[in-house]
Amino acid sequence: GNSVTQMEGPVTLSEEAFLTINCTYTATGYPSLFWYVQYPGEGLQLLLKATKADDKGSNKGFEATYRKETTSFHLEKGSVQVSDSAVYFCALRARSNYQLIWGAGTKLIIKP
Amino acid sequence: NAGVMQNPRHLVRRRGQEARLRCSPMKGHSHVYWYRQLPEEGLKFMVYLQKENIIDESGMPKERFSAEFPKEGPSILRIQQVVRGDSAAYFCASSPDQGSNTEAFFGQGTRLTVV
Repeated sequence: GNSVTQMEGPVTLSEEAFLTINCTYTATGYPSLFWYVQYPGEGLQLLLKATKADDKGSNKGFEATYRKETTSFHLEKGSVQVSDSAVYFCALRARSNYQLIWGAGTKLIIKP
Repeated sequence: NAGVMQNPRHLVRRRGQEARLRCSPMKGHSHVYWYRQLPEEGLKFMVYLQKENIIDESGMPKERFSAEFPKEGPSILRIQQVVRGDSAAYFCASSPDQGSNTEAFFGQGTRLTVV
């Protein structure tokens, strides 16, 4: 079946450090891939998405590239800020379905 | 345009009581999805509803849980005779349609604690 695996957290970085949060998936066909972010005390917000192989999603300085060959959708940011502290979720949706399949989430802590 | 509204934000129930969680989708959205997030886990799909219809409830426990989305008013997720294992965050999402590329907008969630 479809599944998403994220690197475990928490990930603790200093401000202005480079960020990578790994995400790999298992799915038949070509799913759409998403990153959602959950800031403390808030709901889930879509951060970025990619709908086909080699697409790059980007938003607020974050990027992720849909890699079919490695079944990955790693989240990256060149210089993180304290305000990026949140929980980040990788998710997929199969073409023939509407359900989102979620990773367990990665808590990111940015220290000043 | 207000986002997806869930209430209450926090709900405490004693074992055996009923919990009712409400979700008002975004204006113009007729598709509603409920997800549950257990501690330290990702979200798990529970049920998908359109106005007055349950489309897919494959993720919902067979007993004690029910959901509805009436013609008028919010979608309701109802948990009868709650047990400690029901403690979780329950998220509602809505979308204008069910296309695989369509973004689902999420509410802030209801955090249910069963004591």
